[in-house]
Amino acid sequence: AQSVAQPEDQVNVAEGNPLTVKCTYSVSGNPYLFWYVQYPNRGLQFLLKYITGDNLVKGSYGFEAEFNKSQTSFHLKKPSALVSDSALYFCAVRDSNTDKLIFGTGTRLQVFP
Amino acid sequence: EPEVTQTPSHQVTQMGQEVILRCVPISNHLYFYWYRQILGQKVEFLVSFYNNEISEKSEIFDDQFSVERPDGSNFTLKIRSTKLEDSAMYFCASSEARSNTGELFFGEGSRLTVL
Repeated sequence: AQSVAQPEDQVNVAEGNPLTVKCTYSVSGNPYLFWYVQYPNRGLQFLLKYITGDNLVKGSYGFEAEFNKSQTSFHLKKPSALVSDSALYFCAVRDSNTDKLIFGTGTRLQVFP
Repeated sequence: EPEVTQTPSHQVTQMGQEVILRCVPISNHLYFYWYRQILGQKVEFLVSFYNNEISEKSEIFDDQFSVERPDGSNFTLKIRSTKLEDSAMYFCASSEARSNTGELFFGEGSRLTVL
């Protein structure tokens, strides 16, 4: 069975500082990993994905994520946070044997001016 | 930019009533999904649909739930007899041709309130 864990309910960071939102996963086959962002009262927006290839993937709004197979992690990062990055971030995983995308519990990112 | 659209944006219903939530997926997409989110928390998979049949469903998706693609554009979720615990935000999503490497595109959601 596939699962994904986001160990932090909330991450606080000052504007201009680097941010990291953590995610670890468990799958039986090859992992396909995704990050989504949700702004208040909105749907989920796709940020980036890892399927294969380079372990560092770049996505929308300056975000990137690093796939680490040995640590089964896919942490989301950004070198310099903006107040407008404040939102709920979801990590998601799908293994190569299924269609469904399974989401983590979400991490609320708060960027302070 | 093409998008997934959902109606209604908010529906209030009495317990025991039937509810139909509607979605128009992105036109060239072939995979369709329903997810729900309770109180802005975890996003839970309900069902996936491909080639006019359910491909996977979760344990949440019991006999009270059904999905249908009645024409070439709409994709609906029906809850036959709503319960208080069905109150949630329901998201429709679609993705491109058969590939589990593709990302899902989500609609803005339909908020269901069961009284």
